[in-house]
Amino acid sequence: GQNIDQPTEMTATEGAIVQINCTYQTSGFNGLFWYQQHAGEAPTFLSYNVLDGLEEKGRFSSFLSRSKGYSYLLLKELQMKDSASYLCAVKGSGAGSYQLTFGKGTKLSVIP
Amino acid sequence: DVKVTQSSRYLVKRTGEKVFLECVQDMDHENMFWYRQDPGLGLRLIYFSYDVKMKEKGDIPEGYSVSREKKERFSLILESASTNQTSMYLCASSKVHREETQYFGPGTRLLVL
Repeated sequence: GQNIDQPTEMTATEGAIVQINCTYQTSGFNGLFWYQQHAGEAPTFLSYNVLDGLEEKGRFSSFLSRSKGYSYLLLKELQMKDSASYLCAVKGSGAGSYQLTFGKGTKLSVIP
Repeated sequence: DVKVTQSSRYLVKRTGEKVFLECVQDMDHENMFWYRQDPGLGLRLIYFSYDVKMKEKGDIPEGYSVSREKKERFSLILESASTNQTSMYLCASSKVHREETQYFGPGTRLLVL
């Protein structure tokens, strides 16, 4: 089975940097996804990591350490529109390779 | 642009009613998924399908069934709706490869009275 943990809520200031952590324990691993979900809307894809290291995409970066079962999403130069929930999701292997298991999400509030 | 559409944004039903939630994707994706999302519990997988007429149970299939008669359409059926099925229902689709993300529909907020 899969177990995914991430903080429930975080608050950060506009213009700052925030790091959202995700730890996972899985019976198989085929990659880790981060999604952004604004209130009342569908999740949208942010990043995918399958190898160790940092993937950078503009203001957003995602890091993975497979040996530690750990990932983080780094948001730089925070803007008010970044206030949303951020979901960490792991793709399994074998019979679980079709599906994603999601963490409960981290609600980020960006304040002026 | 990938488009996943769901038949209703909001739905109110009575206990015991049969409920159909429909999802259509226009990108020829092999995989389709139904989730429910509840506060404090996150997204939980109900059923998924990796091909026409194929279905697999997710983590919480009890009280639900699904149908995939055409590649682009995946239906979720609540045979006899109950109040504990009040939730946000999200459909998603993806291509088959491991690095492919899931694309989500806008969601259906279902209230069962």
